[in-house]
This record gives sequence, structure tokens and C-alpha cells, in this order.
Amino acid sequence: EVHLLESGGGLVQPGGSLRLSCAASGFTFSSHAMSWVRQAPGKGLEWVSIISGSGGSTYYADSVKGRFTISRDNSKNTLYLQMDSLRADDTAVYYCAKDEVVPFDYWGQGTLVTVSS
Amino acid sequence: EIVLTQSPATLSLSPGERATLSCRASQSVSSYLAWYQQKPGQAPRLLISDASNRATGIPARFSGSGSGTAFTLTISSLEPEDFAVYYCQERSDWPRATFGGGTKVEIK
Repeated sequence: EVHLLESGGGLVQPGGSLRLSCAASGFTFSSHAMSWVRQAPGKGLEWVSIISGSGGSTYYADSVKGRFTISRDNSKNTLYLQMDSLRADDTAVYYCAKDEVVPFDYWGQGTLVTVSS
Repeated sequence: EIVLTQSPATLSLSPGERATLSCRASQSVSSYLAWYQQKPGQAPRLLISDASNRATGIPARFSGSGSGTAFTLTISSLEPEDFAVYYCQERSDWPRATFGGGTKVEIK
């Protein structure tokens, strides 16, 4: 059974940094691209970033480009999202998702990031 | 950039009724469209991929149809656990993924 578990969320001041983690199990982690998707309070879903199975290719939404860095450690079956220069509009629940191009077929339960002074 | 417009924003129905949700794309996405269900406090769950293929474990009362720019998610007979928010999603401009604004199916 596929299982994704995010951690690392919390309260951070504007301009601060946070690192999210997503522990994966139940599938061959290194064979699958992974994405981060976020959801601001009471709002819809926004794709944030994707990383290839090998980790060699990464892409970002324009809203986070240059501030967020996605990475993975296939030896630990773990996905990361380093978030720097955080802004109030980055406040959201961040989900990691197994990425099968069109569908995100499995999602974690999410971790809340709150950017506020 | 493709825009996905979902309608209606809210659908008020009773258990046992049929729900019909619409997702329209600003330009063709072929059949590369997915539907998700999200309940309060929970992560989205994949229902339908490739416009009409039910994901593993999804009940047969959920069906998807359409291609090009017009898509429909149908719930043939609403169960109490089906009251939730539903999102459509496409990815014709890979790697960017676009979601619709959602349709809330609420109990009438």
C-alpha cells in the first residue's frame, strides 16, 4: 500500500525558511516522479514543483521559482521541499503527491505552513 | 495557459440523487483530465484519470466522460460519504498542472 507522510510544517516569519519532508513507502520510490501541491486556507489546489525519479530534473511554478528547491534522497525514500524567502501568500497546506503525469495518484495528508509575523 | 472552469460552484442535492459536475477547458486537453474528491481536513483522492478511467477502489457510481474542452463527472446516486469538494485537473502544458476551482456537493 502506498503511503506518503509529510512533516516539517509550522509557523515562520516572512522572509524565513522551512524544509518540508515527505516519507514514502509501498512503491519503488526512485522509479516515480514526485510533486508538491499546496492549498491556501479555504482555496483551491496549486501545483508547486516536480522532481524526476532520479532527481536529475526539477521544475517549479512561477510563483515559487527562485525561492523553493525540491530534492529527493532515493536511499531514504524521502522527498524534500526547501522553502526560502517565505511570504504570507505561501501560507498553505503542502501535500506531496506521487506524480503520474496527469493524475496525482497518491497524496500525503499534508503539512501546514503558516507565514506570519 | 489553460484555464479549467468548473460549474456549478455549489451543487445542493439529497442522498440518492444524481450529481452532474462540469469542467470546461479554455483549449483542448484531449483526454488528459483527472478528477479528485476532497473532504474537509483530508487530502484530495484520485477518482478518475484520462477523463473516464476510474482509479483503483473507486465505486462504479462515479463516472467520467468528455474530451477536448468539455468534461463531466457523474455520481449516479449520491451516498452520504460523497458530499465533498470535487476538482478537475489537466497537464497539457507539462510540467505545469492546472486545477479547476472546484465544485462543492452539499446536502440539500
